[in-house]
Amino acid sequence: SQTIHQWPATLVQPVGSPLSLECTVEGTSNPNLYWYRQAAGRGLQLLFYSVGIGQISSEVPQNLSASRPQDRQFILSSKKLLLSDSGFYLCAWSVLTLYFGSGTRLTVV
Amino acid sequence: AQTVTQSQPEMSVQEAETVTLSCTYDTSESDYYLFWYKQPPSRQMILVIRQEAYKQQNATENRFSVNFQKAAKSFSLKISDSQLGDAAMYFCAYRSARLAGGSEKLVFGKGTKLTVNP
Repeated sequence: SQTIHQWPATLVQPVGSPLSLECTVEGTSNPNLYWYRQAAGRGLQLLFYSVGIGQISSEVPQNLSASRPQDRQFILSSKKLLLSDSGFYLCAWSVLTLYFGSGTRLTVV
Repeated sequence: AQTVTQSQPEMSVQEAETVTLSCTYDTSESDYYLFWYKQPPSRQMILVIRQEAYKQQNATENRFSVNFQKAAKSFSLKISDSQLGDAAMYFCAYRSARLAGGSEKLVFGKGTKLTVNP
């Protein structure tokens, strides 16, 4: 069966520091991959999605970037974090239905 | 663009009773999918139920069922025999049947926080 792994679970980073969140999927090939952000415990905002290696689409302009170096690996990055980057980040994969990882709670201080 | 509206920020229900969460959506498409996701305090997003717009029959998963009214663009979730473990945020979501750029992007509502009282 398919599983999705996301880490770390919790992260506290100072303003201006870099960020790297990683997500991997097992049990499937060439999945569509997504990064969502959930601010203030409410709605989900799609940040990036990828339909294949090296193919990244950005939904909103922001301080973050994404990369897909391998078929089942999706990375969310930032060179310099802002306070407004704090939130709960969820990685997901889809085949007709979206399945989520366990999330990363990022606090920028 | 499609939008999803959940008009109830918070709901509460007594254990063992039934509760209905509302969701409406706006779209000009005729073929799409609708979902309910549950987010418990652990914040893991869990798929509860899925409905294909071309199906007239309402989807059911154990104690969870939906009332899908395509003409009214309404998609409510009914939880029967509510349990303490049902306490969570519930999100309604829409996905077009057409793949936009090859992806299956979902549009989410803002969620309804469900409290289950013992």
